[in-house]
Amino acid sequence: GAGVSQTPSNKVTEKGKYVELRCDPISGHTALYWYRQSLGQGPEFLIYFQGTGAADDSGLPNDRFFAVRPEGSVSTLKIQRTERGDSAVYLCASSLSGPNNEQFFGPGTRLTVL
Amino acid sequence: DQQVKQNSPSLSVQEGRISILNCDYTNSMFDYFLWYKKYPAEGPTFLISISSIKDKNEDGRFTVFLNKSAKHLSLHIVPSQPGDSAVYFCAARRGAGNMLTFGGGTRLMVKP
Repeated sequence: GAGVSQTPSNKVTEKGKYVELRCDPISGHTALYWYRQSLGQGPEFLIYFQGTGAADDSGLPNDRFFAVRPEGSVSTLKIQRTERGDSAVYLCASSLSGPNNEQFFGPGTRLTVL
Repeated sequence: DQQVKQNSPSLSVQEGRISILNCDYTNSMFDYFLWYKKYPAEGPTFLISISSIKDKNEDGRFTVFLNKSAKHLSLHIVPSQPGDSAVYFCAARRGAGNMLTFGGGTRLMVKP
């Protein structure tokens, strides 16, 4: 079956530009998560959706970062006025509802801000 | 402030021997722990987990041990195989929240 997919796989942009990263979760998964993995580090939580609403956005680093999931399926992570420090791999994961359900990760989008 | 730490960035083991990957945490509110395995250019894949009410969970060649008093967990792989070569992440979850807090990872290399 299809896993979590993320597009694009790579994105190179210039400082100050706006970018959108897309995540297609596993069908039927109501929970969706965004993480960011910087070089040599583990993934860091950004935001968690339960259905269409952001249940926890405490990991978003500042107001340049925003995420939506308007129909409870596909999600888009939006970064305004990108900075070089935003360069990282952005990972999306999805799971069934419930605290002990495994999170399935996508391959990530590698964002490079020049 | 890193709440989950993996102090060994890399580990090299001979095929057939045991691999032991370690993880320490500081937040006593964590009640569920997981290990993920990651190959290059792929997302992390779930390997094994353990609830804080247990001290051991075993699945085939993989066993996770939890020492709550020491706030320490470890992943044992025996026997190690070359296909186990990957980066292993320890992760922890607190209460009903679903967000995971990850360690920095340990790169395991299993030599034939």
